[in-house]
Amino acid sequence: DARVTQTPRHKVTEMGQEVTMRCQPILGHNTVFWYRQTMMQGLELLAYFRNRAPLDDSGMPKDRFSAEMPDATLATLKIQPSEPRDSAVYFCASGGTEAFFGQGTRLTVV
Amino acid sequence: QKEVEQNSGPLSVPEGAIASLNCTYSDRGSQSFFWYRQYSGKSPELIMSIYSNGDKEDGRFTAQLNKASQYVSLLIRDSQPSDSATYLCAVARRVRGSARQLTFGSGTQLTVLP
Repeated sequence: DARVTQTPRHKVTEMGQEVTMRCQPILGHNTVFWYRQTMMQGLELLAYFRNRAPLDDSGMPKDRFSAEMPDATLATLKIQPSEPRDSAVYFCASGGTEAFFGQGTRLTVV
Repeated sequence: QKEVEQNSGPLSVPEGAIASLNCTYSDRGSQSFFWYRQYSGKSPELIMSIYSNGDKEDGRFTAQLNKASQYVSLLIRDSQPSDSATYLCAVARRVRGSARQLTFGSGTQLTVLP
């Protein structure tokens, strides 16, 4: 059963701490997206990769967010330092022609 | 102007009726169009893809695309209470080589009343 796997599913952290979210894309998918979802903003595209190369990260706050894809089976999204306004659900999606979502990481920064 | 716009609703229809969901997009270079369904607390699930003008049917779902009007719609026939969810319209446009950026609308919340 091919699916996108995200860890952790839930994360509660204190303001100022580093947060790392991980994503294992579906094998063979060459595009990986990171989205953030909040009630106010909906699904916002943060960054995406094609064949592990970053194509666009203009949706991310550059001073605190970073996204990498160290190999074809792992994509990471880091926030350092985290702030309460970063509280949201973070989704990873992978695809070729169509994109499929992971279960998301629900982040709460207190 | 948002790249992808949807009526946020909420939209309520009685069980057995046709639910009609609409979406407009701003970039004429957009090439691929998708509808996702998202239940509360869950991740978006792809339910329909459409790439050329006209209608595409899959079971109770019909997607319609009109590129000249920059308009995409989703019809759900014989709506069921289990169809109650938020429906997200997504549009892909080519950005570099064969890479495509996928942008979402804000979603339409649908409630099917028993």
